[in-house]
Amino acid sequence: AQSVTQLDSHVSVSEGTPVLLRCNYSSSYSPSLFWYVQHPNKGLQLLLKYTSAATLVKGINGFEAEFKKSETSFHLTKPSAHMSDAAEYFCVVSDIDSGNTGKLIFGQGTTLQVKP
Amino acid sequence: DGGITQSPKYLFRKEGQNVTLSCEQNLNHDAMYWYRQDPGQGLRLIYYSQIVNDFQKGDIAEGYSVSREKKESFPLTVTSAQKNPTAFYLCASSMGRLGNEQFFGPGTRLTVL
Repeated sequence: AQSVTQLDSHVSVSEGTPVLLRCNYSSSYSPSLFWYVQHPNKGLQLLLKYTSAATLVKGINGFEAEFKKSETSFHLTKPSAHMSDAAEYFCVVSDIDSGNTGKLIFGQGTTLQVKP
Repeated sequence: DGGITQSPKYLFRKEGQNVTLSCEQNLNHDAMYWYRQDPGQGLRLIYYSQIVNDFQKGDIAEGYSVSREKKESFPLTVTSAQKNPTAFYLCASSMGRLGNEQFFGPGTRLTVL
């Protein structure tokens, strides 16, 4: 069965410094992986997705993630944090075991704090 | 504008009452989903529907019910049987095929008084 683990529940960075949010996944197949962002009391917005094309995926707002099969990781990075990046981030894997249902499995989330 | 709308944004309910949360999409998506989010936790799947007039239970369906009479609409009813209904509820839709991302609505915050 697929699963996803976000290794940090809370990450704090200073504005202008790099961001690294870590995610490991477990899957018997070649997974589809996503990163979503959620600002307080809002819905989730897709940042980027990996679907077996290029292993380095570029998303919106300067974020990118690299799919590393050997490490079963899909870490999210950004070269320079902005105050507006402060939010909750979710790493997500598509549930292949349940058949072609499109069900997603969510990590527990990482809260990103950006200090001025 | 294409997207997903949820209403109301905030909802208050007395214990013992049923309430219905609305979710509408104009993306022409086949699949729709309802999630529950509690503070500091990820999303948990309540119900999902891959096609009109068909839906399946998710991981935490007890105390909830849904219908899918139209492709655009997937309302969620929180019944009095749900013992702890206070939460943030999110609706999503997708093309339904494996690997396709889900698009989320803005959410409804339900509070039981």
